[in-house]
Amino acid sequence: DAKTTQPNSMESNEEEPVHLPCNHSTISGTDYIHWYRQLPSQGPEYVIHGLTSNVNNRMASLAIAEDRKSSTLILHRATLRDAAVYYCILNRLGSGGGADGLTFGKGTHLIIQP
Amino acid sequence: DTGVSQDPRHKITKRGQNVTFRCDPISEHNRLYWYRQTLGQGPEFLTYFQNEAQLEKSRLLSDRFSAERPKGSFSTLEIQRTEQGDSAMYLCASSLELVGADRAELFFGSGTQLSVL
Repeated sequence: DAKTTQPNSMESNEEEPVHLPCNHSTISGTDYIHWYRQLPSQGPEYVIHGLTSNVNNRMASLAIAEDRKSSTLILHRATLRDAAVYYCILNRLGSGGGADGLTFGKGTHLIIQP
Repeated sequence: DTGVSQDPRHKITKRGQNVTFRCDPISEHNRLYWYRQTLGQGPEFLTYFQNEAQLEKSRLLSDRFSAERPKGSFSTLEIQRTEQGDSAMYLCASSLELVGADRAELFFGSGTQLSVL
């Protein structure tokens, strides 16, 4: 299975942009890049996903490198409520998981300073 | 609330006892997943159902673990003869998988925290 590599933790200030990196050098052509986040005492929640082109939604933006070997989740203006563990996950053909489920790593623990 | 609900939120049991957790997915979702999460780790996939059919169960941690989704709606996860190593958060998720769609996001419940004494 293609794996992802993320920093263990990152710190940012409130109301500033946050760039969360993810390396996935063994990504295959059919792998979508998904981001989920997990707030304290909650289950993970979907943030964004993409295949090749950059993507924007109300929560975040996803910037995908041209060779697709890395991507960056961008929170444009972090708030204290964005403090969470952020997971970068590869999944083929964009399915919710199917037989393999979604493979979560340890993610990046994002700390937001007021 | 129309999200995924799990019951109970917390369960404390003694080693050797059986426990059962329930998950109610979002009503129109045809897929249901079970995950386990230990402290400091990401969720670990256990099994999933497409409607009432359990399509993957080889990732269940041992034969003490079993799951059902009898009518394609709610699901139960049972752990028999619990061990201290079973202490973890058990998460349920659901999704609507459509043929030809490019993706299906998972919606997770808040989990059941199991403590085995």
